[in-house]
Amino acid sequence: AQSVTQLGSHVSVSEGALVLLRCNYSSSVPPYLFWYVQYPNQGLQLLLKYTSAATLVKGINGFEAEFKKSETSFHLTKPSAHMSDAAEYFCAVSEADTGGFKTIFGAGTRLFVKA
Amino acid sequence: DTGVSQNPRHKITKRGQNVTFRCDPISEHNRLYWYRQTLGQGPEFLTYFQNEAQLEKSRLLSDRFSAERPKGSFSTLEIQRTEQGDSAMYLCASRQDTGNTIYFGEGSWLTVV
Repeated sequence: AQSVTQLGSHVSVSEGALVLLRCNYSSSVPPYLFWYVQYPNQGLQLLLKYTSAATLVKGINGFEAEFKKSETSFHLTKPSAHMSDAAEYFCAVSEADTGGFKTIFGAGTRLFVKA
Repeated sequence: DTGVSQNPRHKITKRGQNVTFRCDPISEHNRLYWYRQTLGQGPEFLTYFQNEAQLEKSRLLSDRFSAERPKGSFSTLEIQRTEQGDSAMYLCASRQDTGNTIYFGEGSWLTVV
């Protein structure tokens, strides 16, 4: 069964600093990996996804993530944080051959951006 | 292209009452998912449909919970005899049969008092 671990429930950075949110996954087959962002009282918005093509994936709002099979990681980065990036970020994994393509989520990392 | 639509967005109910949430998926998305999210946690899978067929139910879905998708379009999630522990956001998501990404609605917040 697949699972996701997000290291750090809270991350705080200064505006303009590098953002790094960590995600490790477990999957018995080649996974599909996702990052979603959630703003207060809203649903989840897809940031980016890895689906077995390029290992470096670019998403919206300047975010990118790199799939590293040897490390079972899919960390999310952004070179320069903006105040509007403050939100909750969720890493997720799906297995294509799992009935229903069920997506499993990590517990989330809340990003704080200081002025 | 309209997204996944959920209503009501917020519901406050007294313990013991029944509540129902509705989800309208993205047009032509055959797969529909329900998740539950509590404060400080990620979404937890509850159940999913392919067209009108409910194909999987999580152990989290007690017998007080029932989900339907009668015509393969919109879906409803009913919670009977609500308990305070049911307080959460209920998220609906959908995807195409050939797609690999699920798209979420804005969620329905339930507060049981």
